[in-house]
Amino acid sequence: NAGVTQTPKFRILKIGQSMTLQCAQDMNHNYMYWYRQDPGMGLKLIYYSVGAGITDKGEVPNGYNVSRSTTEDFPLRLELAAPSQTSVYFCASSSSGTGPFFGPGTRLTVL
Amino acid sequence: LAKTTQPISMDSYEGQEVNITCSHNNIATNDYITWYQQFPSQGPRFIIQGYKTKVTNEVASLFIPADRKSSTLSLPRVSLSDTAVYYCLVGVPQGGGKLIFGQGTELSVKP
Repeated sequence: NAGVTQTPKFRILKIGQSMTLQCAQDMNHNYMYWYRQDPGMGLKLIYYSVGAGITDKGEVPNGYNVSRSTTEDFPLRLELAAPSQTSVYFCASSSSGTGPFFGPGTRLTVL
Repeated sequence: LAKTTQPISMDSYEGQEVNITCSHNNIATNDYITWYQQFPSQGPRFIIQGYKTKVTNEVASLFIPADRKSSTLSLPRVSLSDTAVYYCLVGVPQGGGKLIFGQGTELSVKP
């Protein structure tokens, strides 16, 4: 199993641009999450999903959107990127028995 | 939602046993306790998870008292490579209930 994979690893955006951060898991986990981690800080929950077609807001959802059309994929969309969204983004997944398990992250810089 | 409290930082020396305690006074009946290790520029790595009493694996032990209002991660004979931030997470693995991380404990292991 590859576990949780994220693409891209790095990205630089200009203010106002949009992008989608990709996340996929091959563990057949129903539950998936997006967190962001600012430099030197802890993890903040952006959005989560309890299954295909079901998503809900976390602590810091403003400026982001998510969708969950399949069990495997949970993309995070940034619309109108702002410097405050400069961060490392982590995707994670869990099952009813264990987890969550995290991906390697996407480092995003907005200039 | 269970709020967690951990020491901000801890120092240790190589070869010592390190115990990191997490307080979670309002833990819910169904909540599990999960510990993660995070190195700079990497995603959090799942270390150990438990519900009550004691859990041991190849890298750590987790002690949970009967009232479950706290837990202790025990790392035997630490090495320099154990220098990292350790997070305690309280919640149901299947999420839904918004898995919120605390501030973590920065462990520094010295030679």
